[in-house]
Amino acid sequence: DTEVTQTPKHLVMGMTNKKSLKCEQHMGHRAMYWYKQKAKKPPELMFVYSYEKLSINESVPSRFSPECPNSSLLNLHLHALQPEDSALYLCASSPKDSYNSPLHFGNGTRLTVT
Amino acid sequence: AQSVTQLGSHVSVSEGALVLLRCNYSSSVPPYLFWYVQYPNQGLQLLLKYTSAATLVKGINGFEAEFKKSETSFHLTKPSAHMSDAAEYFCAVSNNDMRFGAGTRLTVKP
Repeated sequence: DTEVTQTPKHLVMGMTNKKSLKCEQHMGHRAMYWYKQKAKKPPELMFVYSYEKLSINESVPSRFSPECPNSSLLNLHLHALQPEDSALYLCASSPKDSYNSPLHFGNGTRLTVT
Repeated sequence: AQSVTQLGSHVSVSEGALVLLRCNYSSSVPPYLFWYVQYPNQGLQLLLKYTSAATLVKGINGFEAEFKKSETSFHLTKPSAHMSDAAEYFCAVSNNDMRFGAGTRLTVKP
C-alpha cells in the first residue's frame, strides 16, 4: 500500500472537458510533485510545490494547472487536453525539497483523452 | 546538468541467477543517486539511495548498489533473482530535482 493516495485511478475525458486529479499524503511531507509518464518511458517532472508554493514549472502547457490547497493536498486541473496528453500521472511527495530526499509515489491516475 | 544513463532497456535472467542492472551518471558535483522499481499499474517505489555515507548501499528486497566514482557508475545487483523481481527499474539522480534514466525492464524466467 502506498502512503500517497491518488484519485481517480482511471479517467477518460474528452478534449472539451474540465477535470481534476487529486493527490493526498499525511506523512507531513513539505514537497509535492506531479510527474507525467508515457508508456515505456520514465516519469517526466511537471511541477514541484515546496511548502505549498510552486517552485518548479517545467514549461508545462497552460491546459495543466496545479494547485496546492494545503500541505497534504495537491490537485492538477485539466482543461482542453489533447489526445497526446494521455498518460499515467504520478503524484509524489518528499520530506522536504532537498537533493537527498527520496520521493514517495502514489499509484497514479491513468488518463485517456478522447 | 546532471543525468543518468541506463545501459540495456531490457534484461532477462533465470530465476536464481545474478541480477545486474547498469547505471552511469554524469555530474559536476557529488551526486545523490537512487534506484526505484515500478511494478505494472503502480507508482515507483524506492529501492535504495546513495548520499555519500557509504559506497555500498543495501536496499530492500535483497538489492544493493555500489557507487564507483572512478567509473561514474551506480549499478544495481541482486545475488539471486526471484520471479517477483520482474518489473521496470529506474536509476535517478537528484540535484535541484529528481531526474530518471530511461529504465530497464527486468524479466525473470522460471
